[in-house]
Amino acid sequence: NAGVTQTPKFQVLKTGQSMTLQCAQDMNHEYMSWYRQDPGMGLRLIHYSVGAGITDQGEVPNGYNVSRSTTEDFPLRLLSAAPSQTSVYFCASRRRASGLKDTQYFGPGTRLTVL
Amino acid sequence: AQTVTQSQPEMSVQEAETVTLSCTYDTSESNYYLFWYKQPPSRQMILVIRQEAYKQQNATENRFSVNFQKAAKSFSLKISDSQLGDTAMYFCAFSPQGGSEKLVFGKGTKLTENP
Repeated sequence: NAGVTQTPKFQVLKTGQSMTLQCAQDMNHEYMSWYRQDPGMGLRLIHYSVGAGITDQGEVPNGYNVSRSTTEDFPLRLLSAAPSQTSVYFCASRRRASGLKDTQYFGPGTRLTVL
Repeated sequence: AQTVTQSQPEMSVQEAETVTLSCTYDTSESNYYLFWYKQPPSRQMILVIRQEAYKQQNATENRFSVNFQKAAKSFSLKISDSQLGDTAMYFCAFSPQGGSEKLVFGKGTKLTENP
């Protein structure tokens, strides 16, 4: 298993540009999430999905869109990038099982800079 | 809303010694999960240890153990026999029961290992 993969690893955008951060997992996990990590901060939840076709907002959803058309993929879209979205973005996934078996697995992260 | 507080922004430890990282949290829920994640310079988020709130027994994983005090809402991490590879950011995280796709993270503690 490749686990959770994210592309690209690094990206530089200009203010107002749009882009999609890709996330894929090959573990057949039902749940997937997007987090952002800013300097001096822990990770903060942007959006999450509990299955194909179902998404919901996290703590900091403004400026981001998501969709979940397949179990494997959970892309994060920035429609009009702003410097405040400069951050490291992490995707994570987990099984629907209850208990500690439901621990999340994280991707390697995407470092995004908006100029 | 749940919050997680890590009061030690930075700590250092000599090789082979023991260090304890502090974490407190705030929640009105009675059942939940607590986690410690390690983030080395590679940025990968690595699960270190996890605890179910309804279990009184403290979790252990090799050199890592926790001191879970539910009434005090405290969840500290003890690293024994510290090694150079332990140098990393350590994040304490909380999730509601059945909802670890919605982790709430502390701001982290930077641990430096001195040879």
